[in-house]
Amino acid sequence: GQNIDQPTEMTATEGAIVQINCTYQTSGFNGLFWYQQHAGEAPTFLSYNVLDGLEEKGRFSSFLSRSKGYSYLLLKELQMKDSASYLCAAVDSNYQLIWGAGTKLIIKP
Amino acid sequence: IAGITQAPTSQILAAGRRMTLRCTQDMRHNAMYWYRQDLGLGLRLIHYSNTAGTTGKGEVPDGYSVSRANTDDFPLTLASAVPSQTSVYFCASRERENTEAFFGQGTRLTVV
Repeated sequence: GQNIDQPTEMTATEGAIVQINCTYQTSGFNGLFWYQQHAGEAPTFLSYNVLDGLEEKGRFSSFLSRSKGYSYLLLKELQMKDSASYLCAAVDSNYQLIWGAGTKLIIKP
Repeated sequence: IAGITQAPTSQILAAGRRMTLRCTQDMRHNAMYWYRQDLGLGLRLIHYSNTAGTTGKGEVPDGYSVSRANTDDFPLTLASAVPSQTSVYFCASRERENTEAFFGQGTRLTVV
């Protein structure tokens, strides 16, 4: 079967760095997305990785290792507005998105 | 309309009633999706459409039906609502494979 695993909840301090991990098992693989979802709102796109390595976009970076079925989202210089859920989604052989349950990130002052 | 729009934003529905959730996009995206999101379970695909005139079943299709008469609209119908269909429903669209999905603002449905 297809499966995406990510931690349910994480806590970090304002100004710090946090890494949110995601492991995936899919039938075929055509890339991995990260989305941010604030409470009561729709998910919004953060990043897409299809090749191994690190993609940096401002305070957010995303890493992919296809051989290990592993990705992480790195958030630097945390701000209170980064409190949200972070969703990992892998693209399978049919180009469908397989979603993780999301990681709720709590930022403390 | 800018992007993808869902209606209504929230609804309380009596069990056994029929309900259609509307979704419209103005981005001319080929693919459209309906998800439900329940606490602790993440987004689960109900139905999808890769292009106008075609639809497919997702992970949890039972009790739901869709149609895709044109590129812009992708309504989701609950023929006879049950309490287990209480959820937040998101419509999404993608231009093509491996591009990001854009989401509507969601419909919070409560079946009582």
